[in-house]
Order: sequence, then C-alpha cells, then structure tokens
Amino acid sequence: GQQLNQSPQSMFIQEGEDVSMNCTSSSIFNTWLWYKQDPGEGPVLLIALYKAGELTSNGRLTAQFGITRKDSFLNISASIPSDVGIYFCAGSSTGNQFYFGTGTSLTVIP
Amino acid sequence: GAVVSQHPSRVICKSGTSVKIECRSLDFQATTMFWYRQFPKQSLMLMATSNEGSKATYEQGVEKDKFLINHASLTLSTLTVTSAHPEDSSFYICSAPKTSGGVRAKNIQYFGAGTRLSVL
Repeated sequence: GQQLNQSPQSMFIQEGEDVSMNCTSSSIFNTWLWYKQDPGEGPVLLIALYKAGELTSNGRLTAQFGITRKDSFLNISASIPSDVGIYFCAGSSTGNQFYFGTGTSLTVIP
Repeated sequence: GAVVSQHPSRVICKSGTSVKIECRSLDFQATTMFWYRQFPKQSLMLMATSNEGSKATYEQGVEKDKFLINHASLTLSTLTVTSAHPEDSSFYICSAPKTSGGVRAKNIQYFGAGTRLSVL
C-alpha cells in the first residue's frame, strides 16, 4: 500500500525545546490525522484535520493541513519527557482508508 | 476509555499453528475495519480492509489465504494467521472508523492496542 514520506525520521531534543515534523504525499488528501504510538501499544489520535489550511491545536500540539493538500505539519511546543514516542501522520482521500507516514521517533532528554 | 478492543494482546505459538485475532468496536458499529502490520521501528502497513457481510479487500502482496479475515458482525472483525511461521511474527493492529455526527460527518480512525505475535 501507499506510504507517506515523514521527516525527520528521528529527533533527539532537550526538554523544553520545540519540535517540528512534517509529512508529504504524492496524492491529494482530504483528511490528515496525527497519532502518537508508545512501545507495544496501538497509535493514539492526537489531532484530526479536515480542511486545507486548517490549523488545529491540542494543548502543546499544533498541526496544520497544507494548502496543497499533499502535506501536513505537527509542532510540539515546550517538550516534556512524556512526549517521547513515535509520531505518525496518516492521510486519506476517502475519509475511510488511511495510509501512514514512516514515523518520527522523538527522544526528549531531561 | 478504549473505543476499539483488540484481543489477545500477545500470543506465542508454534510454527504451523493458526492464530485468531479479534477486533471489536465497543460503542459504535463499523461496517469497515482495517488490519495493519507493523515491524519493529517501522510504520504501519495496511494489510487489508475488512468489510461486513462481504469479502475483505487485500493490499498488493498480502496473501489472502494466509491472512483470513472475517467480518461477521457490525462490531467484530477477526484476522486469522493460518499455518503461522516465524516470518509472520509481528505486531498486528486493527482500526475502525467512527463517524462523528452533524451535517459534515467526519471519520476518525480508532486503533486497537495491537497484538504481538511471536511464532517459534
């Protein structure tokens, strides 16, 4: 199946720093979702985006639906140790079947 | 609380045996569910789309006779790994779309907690 390009692949940051990651697709999507996955667990939804240009926040997390509808961005402000995990983007053109990004592994150094 | 329940969370089996994994939507009906496979430190790869009352749709390269999917009710889909071999060892995750109401209904994919399959 299709897989989205997500970058960076991994990040090592100091606690308190801001984080940015992005996801690109060769296809136009009408829905972008951002998930976080802890080891041995299923992904947990962070933010859902449904409209080009949409900017949505969830606490310290902010995500944007790119204007081209082929990309999306996730920012985490003032990172804390519990932000550690793997972050995945997911996009869909049908709103039903989603394809996932390659993941960004985040390590926060206290 | 959990919106999608997946069972078992972990299974260890001998090579050649079959393993069944269940995925249930807890407070909503799901005519469609999805099955993913995830290798260590890699992303989720869609294996198949489970359709209630009809045959599953498999992604290219996924053996339908190897990974049997049954979507017998609006709240339950099962994935059976038949004649499992060590190379089938992986993390299997299901998801189900839940539609939020309103004029502009929106689908959000909710995931089960995953099943760690280890084939000896």
